[in-house]
Amino acid sequence: GAVVSQHPSWVICKSGTSVKIECRSLDFQATTMFWYRQFPKQSLMLMATSNEGSKATYEQGVEKDKFLINHASLTLSTLTVTSAHPEDSSFYICSATVLAGFRETQYFGPGTRLLVL
Amino acid sequence: SQKIEQNSEALNIQEGKTATLTCNYTNYSPAYLQWYRQDPGRGPVFLLLIRENEKEKRKERLKVTFDTTLKQSLFHITASQPADSATYLCALPGNMLTFGGGTRLMVKP
Repeated sequence: GAVVSQHPSWVICKSGTSVKIECRSLDFQATTMFWYRQFPKQSLMLMATSNEGSKATYEQGVEKDKFLINHASLTLSTLTVTSAHPEDSSFYICSATVLAGFRETQYFGPGTRLLVL
Repeated sequence: SQKIEQNSEALNIQEGKTATLTCNYTNYSPAYLQWYRQDPGRGPVFLLLIRENEKEKRKERLKVTFDTTLKQSLFHITASQPADSATYLCALPGNMLTFGGGTRLMVKP
């Protein structure tokens, strides 16, 4: 099946620094990529929708200047957490969508755990 | 607004029994519904998709039903095993997938 990778799988950083997370679709071109955030014992929360070559669409309450998304190609999207603070510590998951006919299938990356000290 | 609810936050059952998880939705008429499994610290893994014109779908020990009148999907795991312990999420399509809160299943040996 289709594979989505994320890098790094975990990162620890100091407060005030920026962290970049990569999301790649390894063997297919993704129509759309999504970024989710998950707090402990909670479900996934959609942060933004990203289409190649265009600006990301952010969900209400998500600061676009804080969470920069760049979708450089049909196989790569990056999420940069700028000036990270401890409250940004979370599990970040990306997904990539393939549309074949009328069927849309979403493949998830393994996630990136961010800890801000 | 659209809303998805999964019946309980946690479900504990004995090995060998059938686990039944519920997903209810409102203000929505989805063309299909999906179920995912998520293990701690990992991303969700797709399990099953059921379309609006399908009443039931099976995959090995998994069975999903979809009642568009009741606006409900049931997810069954028969002959449950401790390895089935995980959080199970239902999701509905739209401009993006919308997930329910998930049900944490614990199968005890």
